[in-house]
Amino acid sequence: EPEVTQTPSHQVTQMGQEVILRCVPISNHLYFYWYRQILGQKVEFLVSFYNNEISEKSEIFDDQFSVERPDGSNFTLKIRSTKLEDSAMYFCASYKRTSRENEQFFGPGTRLTVL
Amino acid sequence: DQQVKQNSPSLSVQEGRISILNCDYTNSMFDYFLWYKKYPAEGPTFLISISSIKDKNEDGRFTVFLNKSAKHLSLHIVPSQPGDSAVYFCAASGVGGSYIPTFGRGTSLIVHP
Repeated sequence: EPEVTQTPSHQVTQMGQEVILRCVPISNHLYFYWYRQILGQKVEFLVSFYNNEISEKSEIFDDQFSVERPDGSNFTLKIRSTKLEDSAMYFCASYKRTSRENEQFFGPGTRLTVL
Repeated sequence: DQQVKQNSPSLSVQEGRISILNCDYTNSMFDYFLWYKKYPAEGPTFLISISSIKDKNEDGRFTVFLNKSAKHLSLHIVPSQPGDSAVYFCAASGVGGSYIPTFGRGTSLIVHP
């Protein structure tokens, strides 16, 4: 069964450093998403991406965040200058969206630890 | 601002019994509701959904009930199995036509053998 993959599974970085989280969505999906979950809190929407541009973004997704689909398979989230509060699980998801009943498929997540 | 609330952080149930997970929402514009299951070290996995035009949707051992007047939905698992032990997230979407789900904080279900 096709699945969303994410790399790395765990990323440790120093505050102020740039990180790039990588995702390979399901190949025939058209919509791509990033979510994050701070430990013990809810899953929060960051951004959605369709047709090579951002379609929706939350208040969390400020200027230090950016997304890119550099080729036909990868979808990346860049955090330009990490802060301690960016430590969280980051989930990528993809969505076919041919009907409302199609659900989002989530990747296993990348645990980002900012020291 | 918690638009989707799961007030029970955890639930413990005996194998074979019914598990009932509850969820409340505040925004009456939500028109589609989903339950996701999450195992440790994995991403959330879609479980079952319901549209606001229905009040019940059943899929095998899983049934979701929606009470729009009370802005409440519940997930019933019958019979519960140890493999159902996971965190269950309630989510809702539809505000402004958006498909982006708003998640609750999750309920950790433990099913004892």
